[in-house]
Amino acid sequence: KQEVTQIPAALSVPEGENLVLNCSFTDSAIYNLQWFRQDPGKGLTSLLLIQSSQREQTSGRLNASLDKSSGRSTLYIAASQPGDSATYLCAVRTNAGKSTFGDGTTLTVKP
Amino acid sequence: EAGVAQSPRYKIIEKRQSVAFWCNPISGHATLYWYQQILGQGPKLLIQFQNNGVVDDSQLPKDRFSAERLKGVDSTLKIQPAKLEDSAVYLCASSRVGGRGLVNEQFFGPGTRLTVL
Repeated sequence: KQEVTQIPAALSVPEGENLVLNCSFTDSAIYNLQWFRQDPGKGLTSLLLIQSSQREQTSGRLNASLDKSSGRSTLYIAASQPGDSATYLCAVRTNAGKSTFGDGTTLTVKP
Repeated sequence: EAGVAQSPRYKIIEKRQSVAFWCNPISGHATLYWYQQILGQGPKLLIQFQNNGVVDDSQLPKDRFSAERLKGVDSTLKIQPAKLEDSAVYLCASSRVGGRGLVNEQFFGPGTRLTVL
């Protein structure tokens, strides 16, 4: 059974700092990994999707990496802004087509 | 491109009552998912449809939860009777295909927040 862990559960940083969010998974036989952002009371917004054959994906100030062999993914946010404050979730999809989510990291960027 | 639509956005019921949620996926998306998200946790998959067939319902409490996707488009999720522990946000998502051949990014609706008193 796939288990997905995100540490830390919460993170607070000053504006302008670069930061890394972590996602680890127990079964390396994955199809893809997707990072989402969730604002309070809202649904999930897709940020980046990495296929199992890829090592990283970039979108603006965001960079996601994937290391299947070690069961890890990181989401790097450059030059953080208060508007980046949200909960960040990773979801791992197995080859069988099932997605398992972590419990997320709640990020607060202080002005 | 219109996003995933869900209704209602909020629902408050008493335990043992029944409730239904509706989802309209993005046009052309064959795969539809229902997730339950309890406060402070990540979403948990309840059921996954491909077109109007069930792909995975292993975590659906079938004694009280049911879901259908008629004509392979809209879907409804029902709880009958509701329990206190069903209080959560119910999220619907869709993707182009759930198989291995194509990129299958999931897109989520805004969710329905259910409170069971």
